[in-house]
Amino acid sequence: KQEVTQIPAALSVPEGENLVLNCSFTDSAIYNLQWFRQDPGKGLTSLLLIQSSQREQTSGRLNASLDKSSGRSTLYIAASQPGDSATYLCAVTNNNDMRFGAGTRLTVKP
Amino acid sequence: GAGVSQSPSNKVTEKGKDVELRCDPISGHTALYWYRQSLGQGLEFLIYFQGNSAPDKSGLPSDRFSAERTGGSVSTLTIQRTQQEDSAVYLCASSPRRDTSNYGYTFGSGTRLTVV
Repeated sequence: KQEVTQIPAALSVPEGENLVLNCSFTDSAIYNLQWFRQDPGKGLTSLLLIQSSQREQTSGRLNASLDKSSGRSTLYIAASQPGDSATYLCAVTNNNDMRFGAGTRLTVKP
Repeated sequence: GAGVSQSPSNKVTEKGKDVELRCDPISGHTALYWYRQSLGQGLEFLIYFQGNSAPDKSGLPSDRFSAERTGGSVSTLTIQRTQQEDSAVYLCASSPRRDTSNYGYTFGSGTRLTVV
């Protein structure tokens, strides 16, 4: 059974800092890995999707990497802003099974 | 539709009543998931539909929970005899395909269920 772990559980940084969120998974036979953002009381917004054959994806200030062999992904956020404050979730999909980590709660202080 | 639509957005019900939650996936998406997120917790898988195949019900927490998907499109999650521990946000997601790495999942905004 796939297990997904996210570290740290919470992170607080001053505005402007670059930061890295970590996601690890136990079964490397994945179809893809997806990073989501969730604002309090809201649904999930997809940020980046990395296919199993890819190593990284970039969107604006966000860069996600994938190392299947080691079962790890990182989400890099450059020049963080207060509007980036949210919970970030990673999810891995294999077969018909999508498993989520518990998330990292990010606070960016002005 | 342009996105995954869930209704109602909020539902308050009395303990013991039945509730129905609706998910309208993106048109043409064959894969549909239901998840539950309790306050401060991660996402808990409930049930998965893929086309006309038998659904994967392995995540349903009890026999009070059931779901159906009519015509391969709209899905309804039914909770019978609701309990206070059923209070959570119920999220629905859909995807065009299952067994490909090319597609991610799009989530709806969720239904916040409160059992009083």
